Amino acid sequence: ETGVTQSPTHLIKTRGQQVTLRCSSQSGHNTVSWYQQALGQGPQFIFQYYREEENGRGNFPPRFSGLQFPNYSSELNVNALELDDSALYLCASSLDRGPYGYTFGSGTRLTVV
Amino acid sequence: TQLLEQSPQFLSIQEGENLTVYCNSSSVFSSLQWYRQEPGEGPVLLVTVVTGGEVKKLKRLTFQFGDARKDSSLHITAAQPGDTGLYLCAAEAGSGNTGKLIFGQGTTLQVKP
Repeated sequence: ETGVTQSPTHLIKTRGQQVTLRCSSQSGHNTVSWYQQALGQGPQFIFQYYREEENGRGNFPPRFSGLQFPNYSSELNVNALELDDSALYLCASSLDRGPYGYTFGSGTRLTVV
Repeated sequence: TQLLEQSPQFLSIQEGENLTVYCNSSSVFSSLQWYRQEPGEGPVLLVTVVTGGEVKKLKRLTFQFGDARKDSSLHITAAQPGDTGLYLCAAEAGSGNTGKLIFGQGTTLQVKP
């Protein structure tokens, strides 16, 4: 049984650019949730995808968008990057919308300069 | 707005000491989870508490859910350097199967040998 895999592990982007982060869910899981974790803070919910549909969204602007694919992997896209977008982006997979049985990936560290 | 407040935010102790971390809210939750996160990794689920007054033990870690299901505590007995990390409490936001977790801001624990 494979865990949650995120790519890339680290990324540096310039303000105004766009970025795509990827997540492969754990085998058997059909739900993917994305979180943003600023340094020294707890993770904040961005959105969740269940069976390719968005199932809930946190307090993030529309320039944060996502997708889930038929194999339940997922992408997080952020347009018009701002300096405050610098954070660790975590993906968590679960079964049937969770939140029980969340398995987190190791995250993507995004730095916006 | 549902919030989880953790205290203390930072804790630096010597190996062998005991410690307690608190997670408080003014909201009632159906369940509460505790995670541990090490640098460069995603959070790893330690325990889920569901029933008011419930106590769960995981080796030297004792977790308690408050009678009113608004607060929780994590007690570590005879802390070891391997316990070092960020401890996060989390609960499901809203009602029903939202799948969205809200997290406390975390408690950074450093155990010195």
